[in-house]
Amino acid sequence: DIQMTQSPSSLSASVGDRVTITCRASQRISNYLNWYQEKPGEAPKLLIYTASSLQSGVPSRFSGSGSGTEFTLTIRSLQPEDFATYYCQQSYNTPLTFGGGTKVEIK
Amino acid sequence: QVQLQESGPGLVKPSETLSLTCAVSDYSVGSGDFWDWIRQPPGKGLEWIGSISHSGTTYYNPSLKSRVTILLDTSKKHFSLNLRSVAAADTALYYCARRHAPGLGDHGYFDYWGQGTLVTVSS
Repeated sequence: DIQMTQSPSSLSASVGDRVTITCRASQRISNYLNWYQEKPGEAPKLLIYTASSLQSGVPSRFSGSGSGTEFTLTIRSLQPEDFATYYCQQSYNTPLTFGGGTKVEIK
Repeated sequence: QVQLQESGPGLVKPSETLSLTCAVSDYSVGSGDFWDWIRQPPGKGLEWIGSISHSGTTYYNPSLKSRVTILLDTSKKHFSLNLRSVAAADTALYYCARRHAPGLGDHGYFDYWGQGTLVTVSS
């Protein structure tokens, strides 16, 4: 199985901050990496697919980059509605696997 | 707008079979994509259970493969999950989702999710 490791596991930030979350794969996965946002009581929401493509309807302050084994999700200017848990997920092969999550909290 | 809705018992006894259905609206499950089940134990991360393609090919997580069956009913516009011999460790929020893979082979992404249904395994 491909292991996905996210860092940090949690962070505190203020509205307006630039936030970067890292996801590392245990083997090369090309650009088959997706990012999701999860809020309490809601299903995960797709933000970024194939490492850097912005899902329709997602604000442009979200961006993704990377290829191979290292990937990043960046939130350019954190908004109140962005406080949530973020997961990366590889779709290179099965079993599909997720990172452990990064909880973004209000400082 | 594709909509997915899980249904099934919220409580299952140990050693019995967990059965869930995901109803799909505004999209034909037989016309393309993959249809997946994902679960999330309370307070924990996401675990992929398995999927079925629009043509009926199944893919299962090896950690659950011996206990899982996913079926697709194109006429009834739903797909289902059966997980046999459940234990307390199977207590989780179960999601169904569409894995969209336009021009990506099977390297897709989960673009539509159900709201999730909590299944508790307890006697």
